[in-house]
Amino acid sequence: DTEVTQTPKHLVMGMTNKKSLKCEQHMGHRAMYWYKQKAKKPPELMFVYSYEKLSINESVPSRFSPECPNSSLLNLHLHALQPEDSALYLCASSQGWGENSPLHFGNGTRLTVT
Amino acid sequence: QQQVKQSPQSLIVQKGGIPIINCAYENTAFDYFPWYQQFPGKGPALLIAIRPDVSEKKEGRFTISFNKSAKQFSLHIMDSQPGDSATYFCAALKGSGSRLTFGEGTQLTVNP
Repeated sequence: DTEVTQTPKHLVMGMTNKKSLKCEQHMGHRAMYWYKQKAKKPPELMFVYSYEKLSINESVPSRFSPECPNSSLLNLHLHALQPEDSALYLCASSQGWGENSPLHFGNGTRLTVT
Repeated sequence: QQQVKQSPQSLIVQKGGIPIINCAYENTAFDYFPWYQQFPGKGPALLIAIRPDVSEKKEGRFTISFNKSAKQFSLHIMDSQPGDSATYFCAALKGSGSRLTFGEGTQLTVNP
């Protein structure tokens, strides 16, 4: 089992809904990430948190709002999404940065926007 | 601009065969090259990684070959098994950064 836990596993939401994705890790990792993965494509970086502060935002639309309440938790708040936002959303964590801190991915939340 | 090019897109081999997946990069600032394995319904998992000052690295049945002058690296899977059927992503990282650049992925099928 992965050490990065994501909930829910599946989510279906309408374009007017507000929902949140949750991610939890208890490895003491200092960096946490959100990635988006479309079918048959590689993960695309969305956000990086370093010591609970947002350090990278890859020009993600404001309808995606990340939050890091503490060092173990990472949320992604969703509002007014579009059907093209349907994808697998992956959370990851790492001890630090660079080659000595490999990413540990969760199994993702499969999001469908109707 | 695709900074890491991966081929082939898909690959089918028989059990016991040696699938080879190739990647090429452009940015010489990359200095760490991991491979990730992803099974359907799961997140990617680190499989093996190499630095450019090493020409080859083996871990179990998985081997990375690295050609720094050609800016190419490849993954070889020895004695492949049906359980190796997955999507494989090569990736590249610069220094102490946190932005992995992924290749487009290779879907490997190992037939019994």
